[in-house]
Amino acid sequence: DAGVIQSPRHEVTEMGQEVTLRCKPISGHNSLFWYRQTMMRGLELLIYFNNNVPIDDSGMPEDRFSAKMPNASFSTLKIQPSEPRDSAVYFCASSLSAGGPGEQYFGPGTRLTVT
Amino acid sequence: AQSVSQHNHHVILSEAASLELGCNYSYGGTVNLFWYVQYPGQHLQLLLKYFSGDPLVKGIKGFEAEFIKSKFSFNLRKPSVQWSDTAEYFCAVNDVNRDDKIIFGKGTRLHILP
Repeated sequence: DAGVIQSPRHEVTEMGQEVTLRCKPISGHNSLFWYRQTMMRGLELLIYFNNNVPIDDSGMPEDRFSAKMPNASFSTLKIQPSEPRDSAVYFCASSLSAGGPGEQYFGPGTRLTVT
Repeated sequence: AQSVSQHNHHVILSEAASLELGCNYSYGGTVNLFWYVQYPGQHLQLLLKYFSGDPLVKGIKGFEAEFIKSKFSFNLRKPSVQWSDTAEYFCAVNDVNRDDKIIFGKGTRLHILP
C-alpha cells in the first residue's frame, strides 16, 4: 500500500494567492482528517470527513479555509486568499472507522510558506 | 471540551536512561488513548493505543504506556532509551461515545544525547 499521499510536498506562495493542498487517503479507509502543525500551536485538527461527508469543521480557522471530499479517494484543502500566518505543515490522515476510531495513518505533509 | 495535557515540552536524556512522559486528559467518560511519534522531518506514526482490557499497553520499539483511569493518565515509558528515540511524542484521546475525532496534546520533544 502506498500510504496516504499528499501533494505538493512543499509550497511557497505570495500573500493573497490561492493555495490548494491535495490528499489521497489509503484505499478502503472511510475517515479523512486535515491537520495543521506549527511550533506555536502544535497539531490542530482542522476538519474531518467520514464517508466523504464533513463531520466536524470546528477547527477551520476562518472562511478563507475550505475543504472538500468529492469521492472516497480524494480530498482538497483550499486557502483563499493565503496569509503569512497560514505558514505551517499541513497533514492529511486517514483511518478505517468501524464502531470506533481506527489508527490514523498520516501522510508526509505539505510544508506551506506564505511570504 | 476534551483536552490533553503533556507536562513536559522538552526532555533531554542520555542514552540508556529511563523515560517517562506524562499525559493527562480531561474527560470523565470512556476513552480511547494513543501515543504517536514523529521522527525529525517525518510524519506521525502510531506508537501504541489503548481501547480496553489490560491497562498496561505495549507498543513498538520497546515503548509501553499505562492507563490509570482514576488519575486520567496515560504515561509513556521506556526502560532504556536510544539515540534513535529522538523525536516528538504526542498523546491523544478519543471520546468513545462521540465520534472519530482524536484530540492531540501539544507534544513532547525528546532529545537523546549519544
